[in-house]
Formats: sequence, C-alpha cells, structure tokens
Amino acid sequence: SAVISQKPSRDICQRGTSLTIQCQVDSQVTMMFWYRQQPGQSLTLIATANQGSEATYESGFVIDKFPISRPNLTFSTLTVSNMSPEDSSIYLCSVTGTAYEQYFGPGTRLTVT
Amino acid sequence: DAKTTQPPSMDCAEGRAANLPCNHSTISGNEYVYWYRQIHSQGPQYIIHGLKNNETNEMASLIITEDRKSSTLILPHATLRDTAVYYCIVRVAWSSNTGKLIFGQGTTLQVKP
Repeated sequence: SAVISQKPSRDICQRGTSLTIQCQVDSQVTMMFWYRQQPGQSLTLIATANQGSEATYESGFVIDKFPISRPNLTFSTLTVSNMSPEDSSIYLCSVTGTAYEQYFGPGTRLTVT
Repeated sequence: DAKTTQPPSMDCAEGRAANLPCNHSTISGNEYVYWYRQIHSQGPQYIIHGLKNNETNEMASLIITEDRKSSTLILPHATLRDTAVYYCIVRVAWSSNTGKLIFGQGTTLQVKP
C-alpha cells in the first residue's frame, strides 16, 4: 500500500485567489492522479500527472484553471486558480498500487467565499 | 468499464455480518471487481478486488458468482467505524486510464448499535 499526505487539509479562500495543494507519497510512483469531489457528489478525475511530462487533463478541466506540477516521483501539486464558489470541493490525490488498485490521500477541503 | 448496480443504502447491526451486493451483468472476461469505501470526509479506501475466485483479506471477503455477473462484499463483524459509502467498480486491471476510477453513487452502509 501507499501512504499519501496532503497539505493543507482544509482552507477557506476568497473569490479570485489561487490555492496550491501539495501531495506527498511515501514511495516513488510514475503517475499521480488528482480528483475532485464536489459537495454530495462522487469523485471525478481532474488530471493525470506524469513525472517529466505535461499533465493530461480530463474533459471539462483545463491547465489554466488547474495547473499541475510534478517535480519528482514522490511529489505533485495542484493549483486551483482564480477561484469561484463553484470550486468549493474536496481535492484528492491518488496513486496506483501493484495490483492496480488506487490509494487516495486524505483530501483537501476547499471553501471559496 | 462495465456498469455496476448497487442498492443506495443498507443497514446492519453492529457485530453482525454486512453483505453488500453488486450487479455487473456486462462484465468482460478481463475485468476485475474492485471495492472501495469512503468514510465521511475522508479519501476513498481500497478494500479488496478479485477476478473470478473468492478473495479474503483482513478487511473483508469478496464472493463472485460463477457467471461473474454479480458479487458480494462481506464485512464479517461490522462495527460503527464501518459506516461509509461502499463503491463497487468493475474495470480491467491495467489500461492507459488505469488511475481513472469512475465512481457511481455506491451503497451507504449504516451500522447501528
């Protein structure tokens, strides 16, 4: 299994500002994944972050809004840019295990006012 | 990935076995059944997965019917801490989208004292 930590665990931000969320894994992984969970909804994949290449975004998500960095094999950041109240969600990072199961971090609960 | 159908909610008495069903009648031969759960305000947690044989680990047992069209997750002695939303996901183990999980609405299991 993988142990994943995220920072911050929660934040309250003002409209129009940006927040960078950090994800740290206890082992080296090729791909890291960022998910969003809007209030009362299931998780939705935002993007896949490979070390050394540009992130791949899912339909409905764009790099200008959710820029991602992947500087090494254990770390990634997701920035939520120019925030609006609709961005209030839980953001989670995830990695794949050896049996292709997914492990998730504890999440970052974001509230935009 | 094959579509799954789960009951929206279930109750279980503390200490009793919780049996959570999942229908996946369109499952393909190379698709696995994965189970995850999400305890309130936490990231999803991997529980167990299987292809066609029954599986057991320290958390749960997975029973897959012979025709593989349905499965049951069994928590042998449910505790209050098992109250969560349980997700059954059917997918191939490895693909270019291996980290992309499509979460349905799952089954909300309420364990009662």
